[in-house]
Amino acid sequence: GAVVSQHPSWVICKSGTSVKIECRSLDFQATTMFWYRQFPKQSLMLMATSNEGSKATYEQGVEKDKFLINHASLTLSTLTVTSAHPEDSSFYICSAENTEAFFGQGTRLTVV
Amino acid sequence: AQSVTQLGSHVSVSEGALVLLRCNYSSSVPPYLFWYVQYPNQGLQLLLKYTSAATLVKGINGFEAEFKKSETSFHLTKPSAHMSDAAEYFCAVSPSGGYQKVTFGTGTKLQVIP
Repeated sequence: GAVVSQHPSWVICKSGTSVKIECRSLDFQATTMFWYRQFPKQSLMLMATSNEGSKATYEQGVEKDKFLINHASLTLSTLTVTSAHPEDSSFYICSAENTEAFFGQGTRLTVV
Repeated sequence: AQSVTQLGSHVSVSEGALVLLRCNYSSSVPPYLFWYVQYPNQGLQLLLKYTSAATLVKGINGFEAEFKKSETSFHLTKPSAHMSDAAEYFCAVSPSGGYQKVTFGTGTKLQVIP
């Protein structure tokens, strides 16, 4: 199947700093990518839909200015958590749609 | 609106025993239904999907699921559990037609006892 690579797989950052997470579709072009957040023992919650060349569509309750999404090319979308705080600590997963949705391996973000 | 309920956050089975993971859905439109598996520190892998064709769907690794509209269920089964099946399983639903607005269940962690 198609491969979606997410980087980094884990990151620890200090409170107040920004962190960028990359999501790449390695062997197909994805006009649409999705960003999810997964809290411990909870389900994946869709944060936003990333469309190549246009602004991302955010789900209700997701702060646009805090979670910046850029989809600059057909194979790359980035999520930047700005001014991160401990409550932003979570597991972030991206997916890219081709014939089906292919998921990255996720990024464990810990804000200390 | 759509939602998914997975009964049992943890399920334990003996190796070789039947695996049954329960999923009930709610959708205001004909749904697409999915089962995903997540191994530790990995992303989600699609096991199988229902897209309004055959109600009994066969997936990878010997798993299958049956869509029962009258029961609004999409339970995942495997006749004989293998140690490598130990993982977390997510049921998901989306409005028919694509993968946008996928809603996931809370997941069921499967433990296989040797």
